[in-house]
Amino acid sequence: GEDVEQSLFLSVREGDSSVINCTYTDSSSTYLYWYKQEPGAGLQLLTYIFSNMDMKQDQRLTVLLNKKDKHLSLRIADTQTGDSAIYFCAEIGNTGNQFYFGTGTSLTVIP
Amino acid sequence: GAVVSQHPSRVICKSGTSVKIECRSLDFQATTMFWYRQFPKKSLMLMATSNEGSKATYEQGVEKDKFLINHASLTLSTLTVTSAHPEDSSFYICSATAGVLEGYTFGSGTRLTVV
Repeated sequence: GEDVEQSLFLSVREGDSSVINCTYTDSSSTYLYWYKQEPGAGLQLLTYIFSNMDMKQDQRLTVLLNKKDKHLSLRIADTQTGDSAIYFCAEIGNTGNQFYFGTGTSLTVIP
Repeated sequence: GAVVSQHPSRVICKSGTSVKIECRSLDFQATTMFWYRQFPKKSLMLMATSNEGSKATYEQGVEKDKFLINHASLTLSTLTVTSAHPEDSSFYICSATAGVLEGYTFGSGTRLTVV
């Protein structure tokens, strides 16, 4: 199957920016997603980007896509303690029916 | 890296029948497995958490008698949708972990269509 990789842990200070990175292998991906999982909760869709876009901004969230390098990043500006969670990147495979998820990045925000 | 195989990837069944979905960790022992269901707008709802050898913990609103989860070994969990109805049609995804320090590995999902 496809390979989607993330670093497992990230710590930032409150008020700083967080950047969570993800690399993938499927060059035919159509959509790439960022999900947030808070303790005890399911996966909440944060944002997504279509593969023909380089950047998408949504309030404090900025998604950057480098399709050549197959690199996706999520930047959270002015990180707050409520942003502490596990963040998963995911891509939808070329069949349109299968998701491939990264292993998740656990973000800890230090007050 | 860690691999989770989910089978089948697509299934169509008739109303009233039962469907079993398998989730296998191929190269690691999964102490905990999770089952999710995808809803419109692509959010994934956690249905249940299962630990090997014990009963699954279901999230509020998930019918345990309808969605039977068995985690009989450290490499296999199954989700059985019993007496399926068209409203059960959805995308179901499992994930597995060997522990919080190891991260989570997701299956590639099962598209269930009940006709």
